[in-house]
Amino acid sequence: AQSVTQLGSHVSVSEGALVLLRCNYSSSVPPYLFWYVQYPNQGLQLLLKYTSAATLVKGINGFEAEFKKSETSFHLTKPSAHMSDAAEYFCAVSSDTGRRALTFGSGTRLQVQP
Amino acid sequence: GAGVSQTPSNKVTEKGKYVELRCDPISGHTALYWYRQSLGQGPEFLIYFQGTGAADDSGLPNDRFFAVRPEGSVSTLKIQRTERGDSAVYLCASSLGQGPNEKLFFGSGTQLSVL
Repeated sequence: AQSVTQLGSHVSVSEGALVLLRCNYSSSVPPYLFWYVQYPNQGLQLLLKYTSAATLVKGINGFEAEFKKSETSFHLTKPSAHMSDAAEYFCAVSSDTGRRALTFGSGTRLQVQP
Repeated sequence: GAGVSQTPSNKVTEKGKYVELRCDPISGHTALYWYRQSLGQGPEFLIYFQGTGAADDSGLPNDRFFAVRPEGSVSTLKIQRTERGDSAVYLCASSLGQGPNEKLFFGSGTQLSVL
């Protein structure tokens, strides 16, 4: 079984500040890990994914995430927040078990203050 | 359009009624997924199609829920005898069908409200 825990349902940062959104996963097999972003009235969009190549993954819009097996974590960061980053962010996990279904966390809503 | 299209964007129905939700995937995408997102939660997997067949329907909550994809493109999610607990946003996603580590393309969803 797989699961994802996102610590903090709401995170608020100032514009220009570091963004850190936390994700911990549970998987009995090597995982594939994803971050998706959901802007208001839009579908989820892939920010980045980890697929067992480099542990530090760079995504769109200046976001990156680091896979840490020892900590079972895949936290999302961005050095400097922009107002346009305000959205809901979802961490998700899948694996090579034959199932294609993604298991999502409950999401973190990022608010960026001017 | 080039993206995944879901219709209607909003559906209000009464308890006990039947509803159909439609998904038009990106052209050429062989894989199609349905997820359900309740308020304050992440999407939950319902069913996955590879081509015309349902390769994994383990997420369907009960036999009131059914989905089809007869020609391997458009899919319809059907809910019989709707209940208030079925109220949620129903999301459709499509992909090239290359494996569990591939990117999914999501539609904007159908907000279903059961009164």
